[in-house]
Amino acid sequence: AQKVTQAQTEISVVEKEDVTLDCVYETRDTTYYLFWYKQPPSGELVFLIRRNSFDEQNEISGRYSWNFQKSTSSFNFTITASQVVDSAVYFCALSGRSYKYIFGTGTRLKVLA
Amino acid sequence: NAGVTQTPKFQVLKTGQSMTLQCAQDMNHEYMSWYRQDPGMGLRLIHYSVGAGITDQGEVPNGYNVSRSTTEDFPLRLLSAAPSQTSVYFCASSSQGWQPQHFGDGTRLSIL
Repeated sequence: AQKVTQAQTEISVVEKEDVTLDCVYETRDTTYYLFWYKQPPSGELVFLIRRNSFDEQNEISGRYSWNFQKSTSSFNFTITASQVVDSAVYFCALSGRSYKYIFGTGTRLKVLA
Repeated sequence: NAGVTQTPKFQVLKTGQSMTLQCAQDMNHEYMSWYRQDPGMGLRLIHYSVGAGITDQGEVPNGYNVSRSTTEDFPLRLLSAAPSQTSVYFCASSSQGWQPQHFGDGTRLSIL
């Protein structure tokens, strides 16, 4: 069975602080894909990044960075110098051999001015 | 450039009524899926399809039916609505099951 755990239900930070959102996954598949999505207060779901199980390189995109570690089954997301516009719910997701997308329960990030 | 279109955006039903949530995409995507989003539960997969004529169950399929007669459309049917089905429903599509998904704007469904 596949599972995605986002243990942090809600995080509050002050603007310009760095923040890391944790994601731990479980799967028996050797080939799988991990994703992060953002859901701002307006409600739409926005894709941020995808990683496949064979690519453990860390990714940086502007203030966003992702750390994928197969050894700990984690795919964590860090926002550097957070801004109020980063306030949203962030979801981690997993797609394995069956292509059943499994989402975590999400982490609500509040960035205070 | 419509992307994924869901209709209606809001709906109120009475227990026992039936209805169909519509989902259409214009990107020629093979993979389509339905999710429900409830507070504290994240998005849970209801049904998905890897191509026309092929559907499969997700995590929470009970009480819902789907069909995929064309590549573009993937309707979700509630045969006999129950208050437990009050939720926000999202439809999504992607070129393949391992690709990022494009989401519709959601349908907020209340069942009294």
